[in-house]
Amino acid sequence: GENVEQHPSTLSVQEGDSAVIKCTYSDSASNYFPWYKQELGKGPQLIIDIRSNVGEKKDQRIAVTLNKTAKHFSLHITETQPEDSAVYFCAAGWGGGADGLTFGKGTHLIIQP
Amino acid sequence: DGGITQSPKYLFRKEGQNVTLSCEQNLNHDAMYWYRQDPGQGLRLIYYSQIVNDFQKGDIAEGYSVSREKKESFPLTVTSAQKNPTAFYLCASQLGMNTEAFFGQGTRLTVV
Repeated sequence: GENVEQHPSTLSVQEGDSAVIKCTYSDSASNYFPWYKQELGKGPQLIIDIRSNVGEKKDQRIAVTLNKTAKHFSLHITETQPEDSAVYFCAAGWGGGADGLTFGKGTHLIIQP
Repeated sequence: DGGITQSPKYLFRKEGQNVTLSCEQNLNHDAMYWYRQDPGQGLRLIYYSQIVNDFQKGDIAEGYSVSREKKESFPLTVTSAQKNPTAFYLCASQLGMNTEAFFGQGTRLTVV
């Protein structure tokens, strides 16, 4: 089955700086790569996703890049703000995966004032 | 408003008791999932269901049971056979296998 590795497990950045979280996946059949943000005591919420037919997608301060050859994808957050502090999960999925998305173990992002 | 609702938010269980966590969605999604979340472990799949009256075990199904009698509902029972049930439980649904997963707000279960 699919295996998703996520790094780092904890990331601390100064407010205003950029943050990058990286994930690798093992199954070349995976073609859907969402990123979720989870605030304390709440369920994860989708913040951005990318499909394998594109290499990059942006939404204001958030961007995701995908390298299918290397089987890795990354989340980039620019001009970080205190409200960006949360746990971020990457995931991978494909059309034949009846058991849904495979998630990374999460990155705790801390924005230092 | 469409969404996925978990209840209760907090649940306390005594040793040897079974407890049931509720998950309801009004998104008309066929697929529903239960995950367990422990610190540093990410989301681990307990059970999933792609259609009414059918469900499959995930990676950590031992000590848990589910039912899917209605499309909208996918309750999870934590049985006394689950030796370490204290965790945060998340329910999710998807329209299709390769689409956004919508999560509930979670239930925090504590054994007392």
